[in-house]
Amino acid sequence: EPEVTQTPSHQVTQMGQEVILRCVPISNHLYFYWYRQILGQKVEFLVSFYNNEISEKSEIFDDQFSVERPDGSNFTLKIRSTKLEDSAMYFCASTIQGINTEAFFGQGTRLTVV
Amino acid sequence: GESVGLHLPTLSVQEGDNSIINCAYSNSASDYFIWYKQESGKGPQFIIDIRSNMDKRQGQRVTVLLNKTVKHLSLQIAATQPGDSAVYFCAEIRYSGSARQLTFGSGTQLTVLP
Repeated sequence: EPEVTQTPSHQVTQMGQEVILRCVPISNHLYFYWYRQILGQKVEFLVSFYNNEISEKSEIFDDQFSVERPDGSNFTLKIRSTKLEDSAMYFCASTIQGINTEAFFGQGTRLTVV
Repeated sequence: GESVGLHLPTLSVQEGDNSIINCAYSNSASDYFIWYKQESGKGPQFIIDIRSNMDKRQGQRVTVLLNKTVKHLSLQIAATQPGDSAVYFCAEIRYSGSARQLTFGSGTQLTVLP
């Protein structure tokens, strides 16, 4: 069964450092997403990406964040100058069409900012 | 503000019994609803969805009911099994500003007792 894969599974970084979280969406999917889940809380939308550009973003996704599809398979989330409150699980997801279709989620990257 | 929320944070059921997980939403313009299952350390996994032009949809051992009059969504799991133990999130597609976003509720922890 096709799946979304994320690397690394766990990332520890010092406050103020930059991190890049990587995702490989399902190969024939066209829409890509990043979500965040702070421990014990609900999953929160960050950004959606289609046709090599951001299509929607939440208020959480400020100038500290950026996304990129550097090649035909990877989709990355960059967090600049990390803060303690950025510690969370970050999930990548993809859909074959738009948001009204089934989203497949990766296993997540646990980001710990120390 | 408008939100998707759950009535109960935890639910314990005996193995073999049926489970019912409830969810309330407040945005009458939402037109697509999804139930996700999240096991510990994993990403959300799609269970079943329903569009607002329907009031019931059945899958394998699962049924989703949508009551638009009272803005209520429920997930019924038949013959609950130990592998069903997880956190269950309802989610809706709704507008946030001008963008359509997948918005998650806060989750219900389902525990299946032997």
